[in-house]
Amino acid sequence: NAGVMQNPRHLVRRRGQEARLRCSPMKGHSHVYWYRQLPEEGLKFMVYLQKENIIDESGMPKERFSAEFPKEGPSILRIQQVVRGDSAAYFCASSQGQGPKNIQYFGAGTRLSVL
Amino acid sequence: AQRVTQPEKLLSVFKGAPVELKCNYSYSGSPELFWYVQYSRQRLQLLLRHISRESIKGFTADLNKGETSFHLKKPFAQEEDSAMYYCALRGDGGATNKLIFGTGTLLAVQP
Repeated sequence: NAGVMQNPRHLVRRRGQEARLRCSPMKGHSHVYWYRQLPEEGLKFMVYLQKENIIDESGMPKERFSAEFPKEGPSILRIQQVVRGDSAAYFCASSQGQGPKNIQYFGAGTRLSVL
Repeated sequence: AQRVTQPEKLLSVFKGAPVELKCNYSYSGSPELFWYVQYSRQRLQLLLRHISRESIKGFTADLNKGETSFHLKKPFAQEEDSAMYYCALRGDGGATNKLIFGTGTLLAVQP
């Protein structure tokens, strides 16, 4: 089991460009979570998805950010018209289900740098 | 408000010394508490959680509901314990599974 795979590991974008971050969950996992870590801060929850559904997007900025987890393929976190403040590490996690017995396993993260 | 507080950004100890990484939380229900660890150049991984009541790599953590704390302890630190440690909380209500993290404590074990 390869674990949670995120790519790219590093992404550099200029202000105004789009950033697409991909996350493939662990085999057998149908729940995906995205977290953002700004410099000197802890991980902050952004969005929780199951296949084709957004369950909780309470941590997503209202504009420019979107996430999807299609029936086939990886989950995508999309940031439109990036600004310098979007520079951060973005972590994806996956779990088999929800509730007390379900552990979230994390990917290695994507480090986004906005020039 | 749901919040996890780790008051120490850095904790430096000598090898063989006891370690206590502090974690306090704010939550009105019955949360699940976790400790995650990130070793240098590795991904975040679960160290332990309160419902398992187990000891991993010599570390233990007891949930104290009266003090709303979940401090991580180890009686004798090893150099390989040097890492970033994050305390996290998961709520007990609703459909969300989200984790709320503290800001982390960097543990540096000196030889």
